[in-house]
Parts: sequence; structure tokens; C-alpha cells
Amino acid sequence: QITLKESGPTLVKPTQTLTLTCTFSGFSLTTNGVGVGWIRQPPGKAPEWLALIYWNDDERYHPSLRSRLTVTKDTSKNQVVLIMTNMDPVDTATYYCAHELGAFDYWSQGTLVTVSS
Amino acid sequence: DIQMTQSPSSLSASVGDRVTITCRASQGVSSYLAWFQQKPGKAPKSLIYAASSLQSGVPSRFSGSRSGTNFTLTISSLQPEDFATYYCQHYSNYPFTFGQGTRLEIK
Repeated sequence: QITLKESGPTLVKPTQTLTLTCTFSGFSLTTNGVGVGWIRQPPGKAPEWLALIYWNDDERYHPSLRSRLTVTKDTSKNQVVLIMTNMDPVDTATYYCAHELGAFDYWSQGTLVTVSS
Repeated sequence: DIQMTQSPSSLSASVGDRVTITCRASQGVSSYLAWFQQKPGKAPKSLIYAASSLQSGVPSRFSGSRSGTNFTLTISSLQPEDFATYYCQHYSNYPFTFGQGTRLEIK
């Protein structure tokens, strides 16, 4: 059974750096083809894909956010970390991590991150 | 970026109705297209991948199809638990993008 859960702050100040950790079980990020992605969803809007990291250390980022994003993995801990710098109120959203094997098939429950002073 | 355009944006239907939601890609995405269902306060749930393959555990009343760059999600007989927002998403190349959503409401 695949499960994912993200953890991190629910409130950050403008210009601060957001660090979110996705802890997963039921699969290994050393398995050929597997990836873990990050997706966010502003209140009342559609989801937006942010980043992906694959079993082979390949990293992919949304071009419009590339300069602000970093994704890393720790396969021994079954964790993936998303770092987003220079947070702004427009980054207020629910952040999800998801298992990817071609498509996103399993999602975390999501965490609402509010950016406000 | 590939733009995904869903229609309609909202839809009212009754239990037992057959419903079709359309998603159009601004350029070819082959069959790298997924559909999700989202209920308020919950994460998106995967329904369909590869345009027409049903995720494990998803009822067979859900189906997907492709014609060129046009994709459809069909619910053959609406059930009360199907009232939700539906999103399409391509994963043909980066960046992956989502449609704007279709809100399915009870008539």
C-alpha cells in the first residue's frame, strides 16, 4: 500500500524559504522509473505541477519557478524534500507530493502553506 | 507550455445521467493524459491514466478516450459520490500542466 505524507510549516513570512518533506511508504525511490513529484493548488484554483525527482536522480522543474526550487531525495529515509526560496503571498497554496510512475497515481493529503507577514 | 482546456467549466446533472467532460491539448500529448477527481478539502484522486486506462479500484462507470488532441472523461451513470471537480493533466513533456477543472454539481 503506497502512502505519502508531507510535513513542514503552515505559515511562512514573505522572502523566507519553505522546506517541505514528503515521507513515503509502500515503494522505493530506487525502483526503475519511479518518481516523486510536488504539486501545489492555490485556494479555489487548479493544481500546478512544481517539480519531480526520479529514481536515477534526474530532477525536473517547472521552468517559471526553476530559480526558486530545489528537490532532493534520501532513499534510506524514504523522503523527498522540496525547497522553495523567496516565498511570496501568491505562493499560498496547498502543497502535495505524489508518486509518479508515468502518471501521478498516489497523492499525499496536502498541507496548506500560507505566506503572510 | 502545453495548455489544457476543459469544457464545460461547470455542469449540473442528476443521479443516473450520463456525463461527458472534454479536455483539449494545445499540442500533441500522445496518450499521456490523466484524469483526476477532487472533492472539497481532499487531494486529487487518480481515475484514468494513459488517456483510457482505469486506475485500480475505480468504478467501471468511469471511462476515458482520445481523439487526436481531444480527450473525454465519461461517467456512464452518475452516482451521488461522483459530484466533485474533475481535472485533466498531461504528462507528455515538462512542464506537466492541468486543465482548469470542471465542477460537476447536482441538478
